[in-house]
Amino acid sequence: ETGVTQTPRHLVMGMTNKKSLKCEQHLGHNAMYWYKQSAKKPLELMFVYSLEERVENNSVPSRFSPECPNSSHLFLHLHTLQPEDSALYLCASSQVVSETQYFGPGTRLLVL
Amino acid sequence: EDQVTQSPEALRLQEGESSSLNCSYTVSGLRGLFWYRQDPGKGPEFLFTLYSAGEEKEKERLKATLTKKESFLHITAPKPEDSATYLCAVQAHSGGYQKVTFGTGTKLQVIP
Repeated sequence: ETGVTQTPRHLVMGMTNKKSLKCEQHLGHNAMYWYKQSAKKPLELMFVYSLEERVENNSVPSRFSPECPNSSHLFLHLHTLQPEDSALYLCASSQVVSETQYFGPGTRLLVL
Repeated sequence: EDQVTQSPEALRLQEGESSSLNCSYTVSGLRGLFWYRQDPGKGPEFLFTLYSAGEEKEKERLKATLTKKESFLHITAPKPEDSATYLCAVQAHSGGYQKVTFGTGTKLQVIP
């Protein structure tokens, strides 16, 4: 595997389900990010991790819970989501925080 | 508050018809400006980083330039495979670390 990978690529879940999104970077970077991308809106930064420590949380609802067990892996745990949470969730990594970011392919999430 | 505005929102070109995309920004303490290309259903693909006014970078048919208030992405003799959404982002100081703000993108369609 190369670059940034994300699984699953597509996810449909009900409002009462619990699911997790996984991101892995193979670039040797020290910072990782979760973004939400909705139609007609700019990318919304959700969480930033630097060396496995969360450095930014942009007022994201508690139904989104990030986890960064090491500098190569990032998870986004989802529970009791709302239909308006349906979007493309993108993971990115960079050598250091906010330097050039490299993105994964995204997970297309649909909440019913 | 940092702002990034991209124009036009959408652009339709004939193959070979050169044009430019605009990214205007309002930030305090600009550290860098990024251009990305995003294909439908995929993550953004990094194109360029520009750090100072007057800087230019080129890659195949694309050339990015930067002034103190805006950046242009010039597309010379585009081909249908250049069709994508082009995203601009700026990196600036915010609350002790560097924050990245994205624009909403320009959707480019190149017609054969």
